[in-house]
Amino acid sequence: GAVVSQHPSRVICKSGTSVKIECRSLDFQATTMFWYRQFPKKSLMLMATSNEGSKATYEQGVEKDKFLINHASLTLSTLTVTSAHPEDSSFYICSARGPEGTYNEQFFGPGTRLTVL
Amino acid sequence: AQKITQTQPGMFVQEKEAVTLDCTYDTSDPSYGLFWYKQPSSGEMIFLIYQGSYDQQNATEGRYSLNFQKARKSANLVISASQLGDSAMYFCAMRDNYGQNFVFGPGTRLSVLP
Repeated sequence: GAVVSQHPSRVICKSGTSVKIECRSLDFQATTMFWYRQFPKKSLMLMATSNEGSKATYEQGVEKDKFLINHASLTLSTLTVTSAHPEDSSFYICSARGPEGTYNEQFFGPGTRLTVL
Repeated sequence: AQKITQTQPGMFVQEKEAVTLDCTYDTSDPSYGLFWYKQPSSGEMIFLIYQGSYDQQNATEGRYSLNFQKARKSANLVISASQLGDSAMYFCAMRDNYGQNFVFGPGTRLSVLP
């Protein structure tokens, strides 16, 4: 149980385009989801916390207008990288706070590798 | 603010031997949770083991055990009988009492040698 999927797993786009990444909790309802960014050989950096039905809470230094987060349902959160540029190329990972009884854990998606040309 | 330190950027271990990956943390919260994750080259984060700050016993999960020393604020991961498939990045992480704040350490790259 507690499976999180991400789509797409890999995306290559041209500079200036927008890219949407989906994060889904497959077998549980996730009121809270998290978006991380990971640079090569670096640790995960929390970008924002997404709560269903409300605005996301962004970490300091993360551009809200650049990284749009929507958590419209209990099983889906989306991250849209708007007007992507090469410096946005990174590995993006989402996670979901576990179902009732497993609040200790975050369940991670497999990640999305974004390459902006 | 919470902080996780992993002082070993890279570690080598011979297959079938045990290895300890260090993790120290800093928090002012009396209640917190500590996690270890494995990240292979594929990128997925694989949950290994969890230790609650009030747990009396050290957590164990198969070949993984957590050496929790609360007074020293350390939560080292011990992998027994290393396997080639254990080669990966290992991250120590901590969450606060409400599960909203999840902080990762910089990671340790473990290489298991045949």
